[in-house]
Amino acid sequence: EAQVTQNPRYLITVTGKKLTVTCSQNMNHEYMSWYRQDPGLGLRQIYYSMNVEVTDKGDVPEGYKVSRKEKRNFPLILESPSPNQTSLYFCASSTPGQGAGEQYFGPGTRLTVT
Amino acid sequence: QKEVEQDPGPLSVPEGAIVSLNCTYSNSAFQYFMWYRQYSRKGPELLMYTYSSGNKEDGRFTAQVDKSSKYISLFIRDSQPSDSATYLCAMSKTSYDKVIFGPGTSLSVIP
Repeated sequence: EAQVTQNPRYLITVTGKKLTVTCSQNMNHEYMSWYRQDPGLGLRQIYYSMNVEVTDKGDVPEGYKVSRKEKRNFPLILESPSPNQTSLYFCASSTPGQGAGEQYFGPGTRLTVT
Repeated sequence: QKEVEQDPGPLSVPEGAIVSLNCTYSNSAFQYFMWYRQYSRKGPELLMYTYSSGNKEDGRFTAQVDKSSKYISLFIRDSQPSDSATYLCAMSKTSYDKVIFGPGTSLSVIP
């Protein structure tokens, strides 16, 4: 089944404790992206990747890191999480050749930082 | 001024109605325009994807882009209760660029 998977789905952590949210897709997609969704602010792009080893900042990259060492995986790293990073996070990937246009989203990761 | 604006609603319509959802934007460089539907507690799913100006139709859904007015619309004909969701517009300058989403419009279709 074609899909984007994220793990964990739910995470409660404390300020300053490094964490990684994994994202994997099985559709050979080139473009992958991370978003956060907050009430009243909608979806905001954190980072995106056009292909292996090629990443760029979205609108809200501060406090986050990403890497794209393999085509299928695009982990999101919070090296020192803070309460303002409490949010719902989505990973997405896009049909080859369609870039940002046709994105398939994962199920989301709800992160709480206390 | 936000780059992409969208009336958050909520919008409530009777079953069978025609629904019009709209977004305005400020950056004339946007060329790729998307509409996503998001059910509660789920990830967004792509509904429509258009490049530049014009109309695109897919079943009960029609997307319109008016670049001269910086205005995009999504029309839903014969709306169904299953269309009750949040609708997000999104846009980007190139196909491999960052994507800007509108805040979403909450729609309820009442049986």
